[in-house]
Amino acid sequence: AQKVTQAQTEISVVEKEDVTLDCVYETRDTTYYLFWYKQPPSGELVFLIRRNSFDEQNEISGRYSWNFQKSTSSFNFTITASQVVDSAVYFCALGMGTGFQKLVFGTGTRLLVSP
Amino acid sequence: KAGVTQTPRYLIKTRGQQVTLSCSPISGHRSVSWYQQTPGQGLQFLFEYFSETQRNKGNFPGRFSGRQFSNSRSEMNVSTLELGDSALYLCASSLAGSMRSGYTFGSGTRLTVV
Repeated sequence: AQKVTQAQTEISVVEKEDVTLDCVYETRDTTYYLFWYKQPPSGELVFLIRRNSFDEQNEISGRYSWNFQKSTSSFNFTITASQVVDSAVYFCALGMGTGFQKLVFGTGTRLLVSP
Repeated sequence: KAGVTQTPRYLIKTRGQQVTLSCSPISGHRSVSWYQQTPGQGLQFLFEYFSETQRNKGNFPGRFSGRQFSNSRSEMNVSTLELGDSALYLCASSLAGSMRSGYTFGSGTRLTVV
């Protein structure tokens, strides 16, 4: 069975602080994909990044960076110099590379960035 | 390029009624998946349609059904509504319905059952 754990329920930071959102996943499959989505109050899930299990290269995109480590089954997400507009719920998700195609989501981490 | 469109945005229904939600995927996308989001259960997969065929189904009762039309638009129907069906229903559009092609979500339909 697949499982995603986001242990941090809510994080509060002050603008310009760096913040890391943790994601730990469980799967027995060797081919899988990991995603991060952002959900602002409007409700839409906004895609941030996708990584497959064969690509452990970490990535930086502007103020966002991701750290994928298969050895610890973690796919963490860092926002550098946070801004008020970053306030949202962030979801980590896992999907299989073959077979039943569905996303298994974590419970989400609510990020509150205050001015 | 238009995104994923879900209608209506908000809906209030009474217990026992039925409801139909609509999702128009991104042009050219052939797969539509539906997810239910509640405070208690989080985001859960309902079902996926690809080229008018239901390809995958989650663990939900038969009251939840769907279909997809030849233009890839999809509808989801919930019959005999229960209070617990109150949720945000999100649909996801995908070119090929695979993890490799990724999923783009709509803004959702917020259903309240009273």
